Amino acid sequence: QVQLQESGPGLLKYSQTLSLTCNVSGGSISSGDYSWSWIRQPPGKGLEWIADIYYNGSTYYNPSLKSRVTISVDASKNQFYLKLSSVTAADTAVFYCARIIRNWGNFDYWGQGTLVTVSS
Amino acid sequence: DIQMTQSPSSLSASVGDRVTITCRASQNISNYLNWYQQKPGKAPKLLIFAAFILQSGVPSRFSGSGSGTDFTLTISSLQPEDFATYYCQQSYSTPCSFGQGTKLEIK
Repeated sequence: QVQLQESGPGLLKYSQTLSLTCNVSGGSISSGDYSWSWIRQPPGKGLEWIADIYYNGSTYYNPSLKSRVTISVDASKNQFYLKLSSVTAADTAVFYCARIIRNWGNFDYWGQGTLVTVSS
Repeated sequence: DIQMTQSPSSLSASVGDRVTITCRASQNISNYLNWYQQKPGKAPKLLIFAAFILQSGVPSRFSGSGSGTDFTLTISSLQPEDFATYYCQQSYSTPCSFGQGTKLEIK
């Protein structure tokens, strides 16, 4: 059974850089059938896709966030990462990591989510 | 970017009811449409992918249909555990995008 677990600071100050880690267990991040993604959800609101990465390092970013986001992977640790720079209160959200089935682009496994709050 | 619009935004229904949620894409997405269920404080759960394929382990009372721009999620007989928020997601083009959600509440 594949499991994903997010980790990172729960509280940031305005203009800081958010760094999150997603640890993948029960399956290899190097499997060619999957990509790995970050998605966020502001409190009480809907879901927003942030970025994807393939195990070989190929990346895709949401244009609305691309200038501030970096996604990366360390296959040797079975982990992938998110950095979001220059955060504001609008970045306060639950951040999820998820696995994507490359054929259909559906997210089949999700982490439990981690709440990140940006304060001034 | 492709916009996804769900209707209704909220819905009240009773156990045993048949319920249909609609999702409309701003352009043709073939059958690259996925449905998720989310309960409070939990991550979304994949229910249906490719418009109509039931994810393993999902009860058969859930079904999906549609292609092109118009899609539906149907729950044939609501169970107490089905009261949640439902999201559609298009995976036809990058950036993938989600509908705004449909909150299904107990009447």
